[in-house]
Amino acid sequence: GAVVSQHPSWVICKSGTSVKIECRSLDFQATTMFWYRQFPKQSLMLMATSNEGSKATYEQGVEKDKFLINHASLTLSTLTVTSAHPEDSSFYICSARPLTVNYGYTFGSGTRLTVV
Amino acid sequence: AQTVTQSQPEMSVQEAETVTLSCTYDTSESNYYLFWYKQPPSRQMILVIRQEAYKQQNATENRFSVNFQKAAKSFSLKISDSQLGDTAMYFCVLQTGNNDMRFGAGTRLTVKP
Repeated sequence: GAVVSQHPSWVICKSGTSVKIECRSLDFQATTMFWYRQFPKQSLMLMATSNEGSKATYEQGVEKDKFLINHASLTLSTLTVTSAHPEDSSFYICSARPLTVNYGYTFGSGTRLTVV
Repeated sequence: AQTVTQSQPEMSVQEAETVTLSCTYDTSESNYYLFWYKQPPSRQMILVIRQEAYKQQNATENRFSVNFQKAAKSFSLKISDSQLGDTAMYFCVLQTGNNDMRFGAGTRLTVKP
């Protein structure tokens, strides 16, 4: 079945530094991947749609310069949280869908980011 | 606009019993998909069941089944013979168009021994 690997599973960083989160589709190609943010006991909030070979599409209210997304290949998308602040601490999840499937997405295992 | 509403923030059920989680949605699209995803304490999102809007037959996956009422825009999930491992957050999700997915607020289900 379709597997999405997300790394790291957790990370602690200092305020002002940048953190990169990777999302890989292990056994399928994905032209589109999605990045979500989830606060404790809340639903997933779509941050951006990552498009292979082109610029990401950000949801309203999401800072493009703070959350940099790169989708350089059909199997890898990265989310970089730049100049991180404590309020960026959250759970980040990616998802992707095989090109051959037109519905349903596979999710990564998520990354817990703590900014101190 | 697409919306998904889960009106039950929390529910509990005794082990081996049956529980139904509610979901209503709204969309102007004629072609869409509905899903229930489970998020256990590990926080890994797991697909439980899916339903294509054009199919009248309700989807079933072992102990999980849905009651899809298209006219009423209702999509409830029934879990039979509940198990402790079913304890999780359950999200109702609507997919329209090519990539647009909308999540409900979630229902936290606790299965009690």
